[in-house]
Amino acid sequence: EPEVTQTPSHQVTQMGQEVILRCVPISNHLYFYWYRQILGQKVEFLVSFYNNEISEKSEIFDDQFSVERPDGSNFTLKIRSTKLEDSAMYFCASSGRQANQPQHFGDGTRLSIL
Amino acid sequence: AQKVTQAQTEISVVEKEDVTLDCVYETRDTTYYLFWYKQPPSGELVFLIRRNSFDEQNEISGRYSWNFQKSTSSFNFTITASQVVDSAVYFCALSEALNTGNQFYFGTGTSLTVIP
Repeated sequence: EPEVTQTPSHQVTQMGQEVILRCVPISNHLYFYWYRQILGQKVEFLVSFYNNEISEKSEIFDDQFSVERPDGSNFTLKIRSTKLEDSAMYFCASSGRQANQPQHFGDGTRLSIL
Repeated sequence: AQKVTQAQTEISVVEKEDVTLDCVYETRDTTYYLFWYKQPPSGELVFLIRRNSFDEQNEISGRYSWNFQKSTSSFNFTITASQVVDSAVYFCALSEALNTGNQFYFGTGTSLTVIP
């Protein structure tokens, strides 16, 4: 069964450094998402991406964040200058050709900011 | 205001007991979608079910069943004859059709522990 893959599984970064989290969505999916989950808390929406542009973003997704689909397979989340509070599990998800279909999540990247 | 409320933070049951996880949602859209996801200790999010707002028929899948009631804005999840492998955090989520971003609004999750 096709799945969403995320790399790396764990990223440790010094505060102030840039970090790029990578995702390969399911190949025939058209909608892509990033969510984050601070340890022990709920999953929070960051951004959705469709037709090569952001379709929605939350208030968490400030100017420090950006997303890109550099080629036909990858979907990346960049944090320009990381802060301690960016430490969280980041999940990438994708969904199919129609809106509101189930989102399939990757296994997540655990980001630790020192 | 929370769009999805899971009032039960933690539940512990003994193996083979039945357990119901509650989910209450809030939306002004007439068309919306409800989901349940399981997050085992390994951390991934596993899709369990999707239900649209026009289909109130309850669903059963093996030991899992879901009770959708629009009148009370609830979408509860029951595990029958629980097993240790059911131990996980369970999240209820809402997606609204009018929302161009298709984002999910997750509840805070219910941590289920099944004791052998």
